[in-house]
Amino acid sequence: NAGVMQNPRHLVRRRGQEARLRCSPMKGHSHVYWYRQLPEEGLKFMVYLQKENIIDESGMPKERFSAEFPKEGPSILRIQQVVRGDSAAYFCASSTAGSQGYNEQFFGPGTRLTVL
Amino acid sequence: AQTVTQSQPEMSVQEAETVTLSCTYDTSENNYYLFWYKQPPSRQMILVIRQEAYKQQNATENRFSVNFQKAAKSFSLKISDSQLGDTAMYFCAYNRYSGGGADGLTFGKGTHLIIQP
Repeated sequence: NAGVMQNPRHLVRRRGQEARLRCSPMKGHSHVYWYRQLPEEGLKFMVYLQKENIIDESGMPKERFSAEFPKEGPSILRIQQVVRGDSAAYFCASSTAGSQGYNEQFFGPGTRLTVL
Repeated sequence: AQTVTQSQPEMSVQEAETVTLSCTYDTSENNYYLFWYKQPPSRQMILVIRQEAYKQQNATENRFSVNFQKAAKSFSLKISDSQLGDTAMYFCAYNRYSGGGADGLTFGKGTHLIIQP
C-alpha cells in the first residue's frame, strides 16, 4: 500500500510565476491536509479538504493561495504570483473518514519550493 | 487558539544516554490529542508517539515514553538508550478532539536532537 505521494519533490519558480503542488492520498483516505514549513520552523496548518469540499482553510493566506481536492485525481495546492517568502517545504497529509476516535494523519515526503 | 511551545531549540547527548525533550501547550479544550513527530534529514514526518488527553496512563512505544501532566499542560518525551539514528528534529503537536474526524495539527517549533557517538 503506497503511502502519501507528493510531486514534484523539488520545484523552482521565478517571482511572479505559478506553483502547483500535487498530493495523492493513501488508498482509502478521503481527507487531505496541507502544511507549510518555513526554514527553522515547525509545520503550520494551511487547509483541510475532503473530496470536493474545503472543510477548514483558516491557515491559508488570503491571497494567491488556493487548494482543491477533486472527485478524481490528486489534491492541488496552487500558489499564484509566487514571491521569495513562499519558499518553504509544503507537506501533505491524509487520513481516513471521520469516526469516533482519532484518525491518524500520514504525511507525504513534502515538496520543496524555491522562489528565485 | 491552541499553542505549542518547545523551549529547547537544540540538545546533544551521548549515545546510549537518556534524554528528555520538553513541550508545553495551551488549550481550553478538555479532550484532545498530543503527539511527538520525528523529522530526520530526509524531512519525512514520522509519528513517534501519541497520547489521548482522557487517558491518565502515559503512552509508551519501545524506547520512547511520555510524561503527560494535564493540569500543568506539559507533555515531555523521554528517549531511553539513545541511538545515532535518533538524531533528528522532534516536533510536539496538538490536535483537538473533533469527534468525527481530525483537524489540522498545531506544531511547536521543534527541538534539534543530536546523538553523539
